[in-house]
Amino acid sequence: SQTIHQWPATLVQPVGSPLSLECTVEGTSNPNLYWYRQAAGRGLQLLFYSVGIGQISSEVPQNLSASRPQDRQFILSSKKLLLSDSGFYLCAWESSSYEQYFGPGTRLTVT
Amino acid sequence: AQTVTQSQPEMSVQEAETVTLSCTYDTSENNYYLFWYKQPPSRQMILVIRQEAYKQQNATENRFSVNFQKAAKSFSLKISDSQLGDTAMYFCAFTGSNSGYALNFGKGTSLLVTP
Repeated sequence: SQTIHQWPATLVQPVGSPLSLECTVEGTSNPNLYWYRQAAGRGLQLLFYSVGIGQISSEVPQNLSASRPQDRQFILSSKKLLLSDSGFYLCAWESSSYEQYFGPGTRLTVT
Repeated sequence: AQTVTQSQPEMSVQEAETVTLSCTYDTSENNYYLFWYKQPPSRQMILVIRQEAYKQQNATENRFSVNFQKAAKSFSLKISDSQLGDTAMYFCAFTGSNSGYALNFGKGTSLLVTP
């Protein structure tokens, strides 16, 4: 069966520091992968999606970036965090029937 | 652009009763998919139910069922025999080819099930 992992689960970082969040999927090959952000009490905002290694599409202009160095690995990064980057970050993989399955998420607080 | 609207920010229901959560969407596409996701306090997003737009039959998963009205662009979720564990945020979501099959989410409905 397929599983999706995210780490870290919780992160507190100062403004201006770098960021690296990792997402890995097991049990499936070449899935479409997605990064979403959820602000407190709000819906999910799509940040990036990837249909294959090295292929990244950005939905929102910001100081975040994403990379997909391996088939089942998706990384969200920033060189310098802003206060507005605080939120709950969710990674998802997509099945062949367009269902998306989410990881447990990373709670990021920028101080 | 596709939009998803959930007009009920909060709802409550008593245990064992039935509740219906509303969702409307706007799209020019003919082939698309609709979903309901549940987000309990743990914040894990859990897929509850899925509906393909080309299917006329409403989807059902145990106590969860949908009322899909394609012409009205309406996609409501009915929860029967509500349980305390159903307490969560519920998000309606849309995906189609024009959005690269990324999910467009509504703002959510907070459901509280009371004893």
